[in-house]
Amino acid sequence: AQKVTQAQTEISVVEKEDVTLDCVYETRDTTYYLFWYKQPPSGELVFLIRRNSFDEQNEISGRYSWNFQKSTSSFNFTITASQVVDSAVYFCALSEAGDDMRFGAGTRLTVKP
Amino acid sequence: DAMVIQNPRYQVTQFGKPVTLSCSQTLNHNVMYWYQQKSSQAPKLLFHYYDKDFNNEADTPDNFQSRRPNTSFCFLDIRSPGLGDAAMYLCATSRAPGGRETQYFGPGTRLLVL
Repeated sequence: AQKVTQAQTEISVVEKEDVTLDCVYETRDTTYYLFWYKQPPSGELVFLIRRNSFDEQNEISGRYSWNFQKSTSSFNFTITASQVVDSAVYFCALSEAGDDMRFGAGTRLTVKP
Repeated sequence: DAMVIQNPRYQVTQFGKPVTLSCSQTLNHNVMYWYQQKSSQAPKLLFHYYDKDFNNEADTPDNFQSRRPNTSFCFLDIRSPGLGDAAMYLCATSRAPGGRETQYFGPGTRLLVL
C-alpha cells in the first residue's frame, strides 16, 4: 500500500531563513505521482507541484524548489528566504497510476517576522 | 478564472438535522471529489464521481451521501450529523480519474454541529 511520511509536525523559522520540508514515500509501483499542496489558514488546499516517477529532475519556481530522489524515496520541498505569507500547513501526497491520492500528515510551517 | 466554489464557507447545524453542502466548478472537469478534514489531520477521501459514476470509499459512513446532478455541481448530504462530523469539508476536481491527474480544491466548508 502506498504511504507518505512527513516526519516534521511543526517547523518555526524567522523570516528570510531557508527551510526544508521533508517527505518520504513508500510504493511498490514503478509509476506513481508526487504532489505538494499548501493549506493557508483560510483552509483552501493550493496545488504547488506534481512530479511523476520517471522525472527525477529537480524543479525551481521562484523561492520554491523541490528535490526528488528515488534512491531515498524522498520528495523534499525547500523555501528560500521564507516570508510570513509562507506560514501554512504543507501536505505531500502520493498517488499510484490507478489509485486515489493519499496525503501525508502535513507539516505546519510558521514564519515569524 | 476557472475555479472550484463551495458554499457556504461556514455551516452550523444541529445534532441529527440533515445538512447539505454544495460544490460547483467552472473547470469542466469530469471528476469531483469530497474530502473530510478534521483538525490537524490530513484530508480523508469520502467519495468521488467520475461523470455520473459514483465511487464510495470503503470506510465512508452510510450517513454521508452525494449527488451530482450535472457536470458543474456536486452535493454532500449528511443525513444525521453527529458531533464527530464537525470538520472541514473540501471539494476537489480533476480532469480525469487516476493517480496522474492533479486535483484542484475549493476553499472548503467548515461544518459545526451543535
